[in-house]
Amino acid sequence: DVKVTQSSRYLVKRTGEKVFLECVQDMDHENMFWYRQDPGLGLRLIYFSYDVKMKEKGDIPEGYSVSREKKERFSLILESASTNQTSMYLCASSPQGGWNTEAFFGQGTRLTVV
Amino acid sequence: AQTVTQSQPEMSVQEAETVTLSCTYDTSENNYYLFWYKQPPSRQMILVIRQEAYKQQNATENRFSVNFQKAAKSFSLKISDSQLGDTAMYFCAFRLYSGGGADGLTFGKGTHLIIQP
Repeated sequence: DVKVTQSSRYLVKRTGEKVFLECVQDMDHENMFWYRQDPGLGLRLIYFSYDVKMKEKGDIPEGYSVSREKKERFSLILESASTNQTSMYLCASSPQGGWNTEAFFGQGTRLTVV
Repeated sequence: AQTVTQSQPEMSVQEAETVTLSCTYDTSENNYYLFWYKQPPSRQMILVIRQEAYKQQNATENRFSVNFQKAAKSFSLKISDSQLGDTAMYFCAFRLYSGGGADGLTFGKGTHLIIQP
C-alpha cells in the first residue's frame, strides 16, 4: 500500500516561530504536493514539486516555502507563523505519468498558531 | 484557471437510500480528469471514483457511480444503498492532463454527507 506520512497530526506553535511540516512517501513518487484545508474553502494548493530540488507555486504560496532535498521527503516551511496560518495541512504524492494518476494523501497536520 | 463548484454544503439521508452529490466545473481545456474524494472523520482522503474527460461512459465503482455531462461541465456522484460508513466530507476535484501529471488538483469546497440510521 502507498503510504504518505506526515510527521505530526497536531501541532501548536507561537506567532513568529519558524515551523516545519514534514511529509514522507514510500512509493518512489515523483510528484508531491502541499494543500491547506479550511472549512468552507475546501483544499487549496500551496506548493508542489515534480522532482528533487524542483518546486512550483500553487494557488496560495504567500507565507510559505518548501524544500525537497530527497525524493521521498517534501517539507513545508512557515518562515514566521501567523494566526491566519492556523489550518489543516495535507500532503499528497502521485507518480509521474499524465494518464489517470491518483494522488495519495497523508492524514493531515492540524496546525494551531497562537 | 479552473474552478470547481459544489453547491450542497451538507446533505443528510437515511441509511439504504440513494443520494446524489452535485459538482460543476469550469475549464476551457479539453483533456482533463475528474475525481471524487471522500474524507471521513479520520481525515484520511480516499479516492472514491475517477473519470477521464475523453471517455463518454460513466465510471462506476460498486455502489458509487457518476453522471458525467461534459457539455454541461457537470460531474455528479451517486451513492446507492447508502451505509453509515459513507458519512464523510466528499470533495469533487479536477486535474488537467499533463505529461508528467504534476499539476495539482483543484478541489470544490466539499459536501458534508451524513447517513442517518
